[in-house]
This record gives sequence, C-alpha cells and structure tokens, in this order.
Amino acid sequence: EPEVTQTPSHQVTQMGQEVILRCVPISNHLYFYWYRQILGQKVEFLVSFYNNEISEKSEIFDDQFSVERPDGSNFTLKIRSTKLEDSAMYFCASKEQGPSGELFFGEGSRLTVL
Amino acid sequence: KQEVTQIPAALSVPEGENLVLNCSFTDSAIYNLQWFRQDPGKGLTSLLLIQSSQREQTSGRLNASLDKSSGRSTLYIAASQPGDSATYLCAVGTSGSRLTFGEGTQLTVNP
Repeated sequence: EPEVTQTPSHQVTQMGQEVILRCVPISNHLYFYWYRQILGQKVEFLVSFYNNEISEKSEIFDDQFSVERPDGSNFTLKIRSTKLEDSAMYFCASKEQGPSGELFFGEGSRLTVL
Repeated sequence: KQEVTQIPAALSVPEGENLVLNCSFTDSAIYNLQWFRQDPGKGLTSLLLIQSSQREQTSGRLNASLDKSSGRSTLYIAASQPGDSATYLCAVGTSGSRLTFGEGTQLTVNP
C-alpha cells in the first residue's frame, strides 16, 4: 500500500543550526502538508503546498521556516535557525484531492533541539 | 477560529465492550471530518473520513457519525480488542483544506 515516507526518523541538533526534514509523498498526490506535534500537545497545522507554491500557512510558520519541492518526488521542510521550542514531532502528509480529500500522514520526524 | 474538543480525554474498558468517543467543533462550516489513530511515538493512521454532506461512515468494527449542524461527531468501536489501544484523534477540515485537531482520547482496552 502506498505510504508517505519521512527521513530522518529522529534528529538532534544544536540551537541555531539549520535543519532539513524530508518527505516523499504518495506518488499520485498533489497536495502536501507539514504538521507538528509538541510532546503532549495537539497536532498543529504548519503549511500546505500545491502546484509548487504555498497555498496556506499558519501563524507558526514564520520566516524561519520554508518548504520546497526540489524534484518530482521529495517535499522538504527547512528550519533556518532552530530554537528550543522547535523541538517536536514533524509530520508530512499528502492527499490526492483538494479540500474534501483524505489526508495520509507519514511516521514523523522527531526533532530535538539542544 | 475552529476549535475541536474530544471527550473523554482517557478511557479504559474491558475487552469486548462497545464504546463511543466524542468530538465537538465550534464552526459548522466544514469540508469534512477525519478520525485518526495514533500509537505512541508513531504517525497518524487514517480510520474514517466523513464528507460534510454525509451522516456516517463505517469500516469494519468502526462507525463514525457526523452532525454538522450541532458540531458533533462520534466514533463507535464495536467489540473492542486490546489491539485497539491507542490515542484516537478527531480532525476537522476547514477552509484552505487544513485540518484542525482535537487533543485526542487515549483508549486502553484491557484483556
């Protein structure tokens, strides 16, 4: 069964360092997302991406964050200068259709900022 | 701003029991509602998707209902098993296609 894959599964970094989280969405999907979950808290929307551009972003997704689809298969989230409060599980998700489609999530990348 | 609430926060039941998890949302202008399962330290597994025009969806022992006008959804699990132990998340799809999540119900099914 097709699935969303994410790498790395866990990354430890020093505060101020740049981090890139990678995702391979399901191959025929057109809509891509990043969500995050701080330990013990709700899953929160970060950004949605369609047709090679950001379609929506939350207030969390500030100038420190960026997303890119560098080729036909990968979708990346970059955090330019990590802060302690960026420590969280980051989930990539994708779907085939627009607003009404079913969203499929990857296993997540755990980011620990020291 | 959409707010999603799930009750109860935690639930412990004996194996074989039928149970109901509740989800409520504040803004009824939704596209859809999706129920997920999350095992500890893992990703989110989609269980059921209900479109805003639908009243319920079924998959195996799971049945989800949606009452959009009252801002409520329920997830019914029949004949619960220890393998059903997980956190169940309700998420509402709103404008722009983002999902807004509740805090989840942590379910423990005891053998």
